[in-house]
Amino acid sequence: AAGVIQSPRHLIKEKRETATLKCYPIPRHDTVYWYQQGPGQDPQFLISFYEKMQSDKGSIPDRFSAQQFSDYHSELNMSSLELGDSALYFCASSQTSRSEQYFGPGTRLTVT
Amino acid sequence: GIQVEQSPPDLILQEGANSTLRCNFSDSVNNLQWFHQNPWGQLINLFYIPSGTKQNGRLSATTVATERYSLLYISSSQTTDSGVYFCAVSDSWGKLQFGAGTQVVVTP
Repeated sequence: AAGVIQSPRHLIKEKRETATLKCYPIPRHDTVYWYQQGPGQDPQFLISFYEKMQSDKGSIPDRFSAQQFSDYHSELNMSSLELGDSALYFCASSQTSRSEQYFGPGTRLTVT
Repeated sequence: GIQVEQSPPDLILQEGANSTLRCNFSDSVNNLQWFHQNPWGQLINLFYIPSGTKQNGRLSATTVATERYSLLYISSSQTTDSGVYFCAVSDSWGKLQFGAGTQVVVTP
């Protein structure tokens, strides 16, 4: 069965650089979520999209932005990177906002 | 927001042992999921269980929504069961609120 695809899997950036993370949801899933997991922590919700519109927002820094495109893939754009942005970033998708969420393998971002 | 508490925080098991992990949540939920995060960081869906009981091989889960708790049972544990087990819940808006997790180590 198709799963959520994330790219790249690993990314190393320097402070103040920008990064773009991509997510391809499971086909026919209309809701996409982004989560951030710091070292030793649980995943924290950043932002979600339903049918290409932002549906909810968590503790996402103003330096981060995201969108969902017409083909339903989503991108998380991160600017002015800080050391504290080093984390595992997960994308998840679901058929509806109330149904089971399936997680991608994550993008491990390291900021040096 | 919804508060999620998991217990115990750490669990060390000998191979073949059984265990129970608990998840308490502070409000009514539309979604409750259990995940296993393996040592490579992947979050693996174990159960989608907002209520009732489900079984999948050596794992089973029960959610009593009226009493706001869920239990994950691991039977005949294996070393591959090691990792962090997360409970996560959501209200009607869909975003998942995770508990702090239970770190499980299964020794040979």
